[in-house]
Amino acid sequence: DAMVIQNPRYQVTQFGKPVTLSCSQTLNHNVMYWYQQKSSQAPKLLFHYYDKDFNNEADTPDNFQSRRPNTSFCFLDIRSPGLGDAAMYLCATSRDRGNRAYEQYFGPGTRLTVT
Amino acid sequence: EDQVTQSPEALRLQEGESSSLNCSYTVSGLRGLFWYRQDPGKGPEFLFTLYSAGEEKEKERLKATLTKKESFLHITAPKPEDSATYLCAVPSEGGSEKLVFGKGTKLTVNP
Repeated sequence: DAMVIQNPRYQVTQFGKPVTLSCSQTLNHNVMYWYQQKSSQAPKLLFHYYDKDFNNEADTPDNFQSRRPNTSFCFLDIRSPGLGDAAMYLCATSRDRGNRAYEQYFGPGTRLTVT
Repeated sequence: EDQVTQSPEALRLQEGESSSLNCSYTVSGLRGLFWYRQDPGKGPEFLFTLYSAGEEKEKERLKATLTKKESFLHITAPKPEDSATYLCAVPSEGGSEKLVFGKGTKLTVNP
């Protein structure tokens, strides 16, 4: 089945220690997104790629970076995690721009704990 | 600023007890309203898209409706497996691929 896969599902890192979360998709979608979701909060868009075009949200901290080496993979790098970065990180894809962009397919998420 | 407000925050129903969830939005020039379901510890799952006032979509026990200022998700004769958080979202006014999500309504259906 075509899907969005996130690894690892659970990640524990130390305060200030860089961490990378990964996302892969078999849907062959052009657009890939990274969201941060804290408990009982709405998913918050960090950035997205349309193909190789990177789109950063204005309020995304510089501590968060992303890479998309090819259509299938996208990575979220947190350079110096703080306690406030503990959250669920969701990767999503969509087929294209326009109205199709809003029918997004989410992965299961990576739960990040910062100690 | 885009704003999506969902109510209630949490809803407990008995199996078979029908009810509705509300999503109100303030974005102008709506380019669609989207409903997602999120199970605990999982990513949201797309349910419906609504584009214009008066439009309705149905899936099993769920029916979504849209007016000019709000959307309702009606749940008819719910079952315990309908328990989840239901999120609504609208496209950002900026015209990008960005979706603005509400905080969701956590639905619990007791057997």
